[in-house]
Amino acid sequence: AQRVTQPEKLLSVFKGAPVELKCNYSYSGSPELFWYVQYSRQRLQLLLRHISRESIKGFTADLNKGETSFHLKKPFAQEEDSAMYYCALRSGPGANSKLTFGKGITLSVRP
Amino acid sequence: GAGVSQTPSNKVTEKGKYVELRCDPISGHTALYWYRQSLGQGPEFLIYFQGTGAADDSGLPNDRFFAVRPEGSVSTLKIQRTERGDSAVYLCASSQTQMQTQYFGPGTRLLVL
Repeated sequence: AQRVTQPEKLLSVFKGAPVELKCNYSYSGSPELFWYVQYSRQRLQLLLRHISRESIKGFTADLNKGETSFHLKKPFAQEEDSAMYYCALRSGPGANSKLTFGKGITLSVRP
Repeated sequence: GAGVSQTPSNKVTEKGKYVELRCDPISGHTALYWYRQSLGQGPEFLIYFQGTGAADDSGLPNDRFFAVRPEGSVSTLKIQRTERGDSAVYLCASSQTQMQTQYFGPGTRLLVL
């Protein structure tokens, strides 16, 4: 069975501080990992996916297969980063395309 | 262009009643997903359609839950004999093909009294 663990429920930082949102997964194959974000009163939207290896809004995430982790990082947090963040896993190509989500973490960036 | 839309945005019903939740995917998207999000949890998969057929319904909690997508576009999630534990936000997502990005709707907040 596949599982995504986000160990923290809340992270509160000051503007300009570094941010790391943790995500660990359990899956026997080669998964695809994603970070989704939900801003206040908005719908869930894709932030980034590991296969793209890109930086979105200053966020990056590296898939570490040895540690089965996909932590989301940003060197300097902005107030507009305040939101709910979900890590999600999908079985690799050819398999079921459903997403398995973690419980999410609230990021609060204070001025 | 228009994103995924869901109606109603809120639904309050009484225990034992029947409800239908509607999802309009992005035009041309062949894959459609239903998820359920309970308070304090991440979205949980319910069912996935590829075209008109349910490719995976393994997430449906019991036989009170059923979903259809008769013409390969709009989908309806149907819940019979609702229970208080069914209260949650029901999310719909669509993607152009099976393995592409899933775009989520705003959700339907269901409250069973």
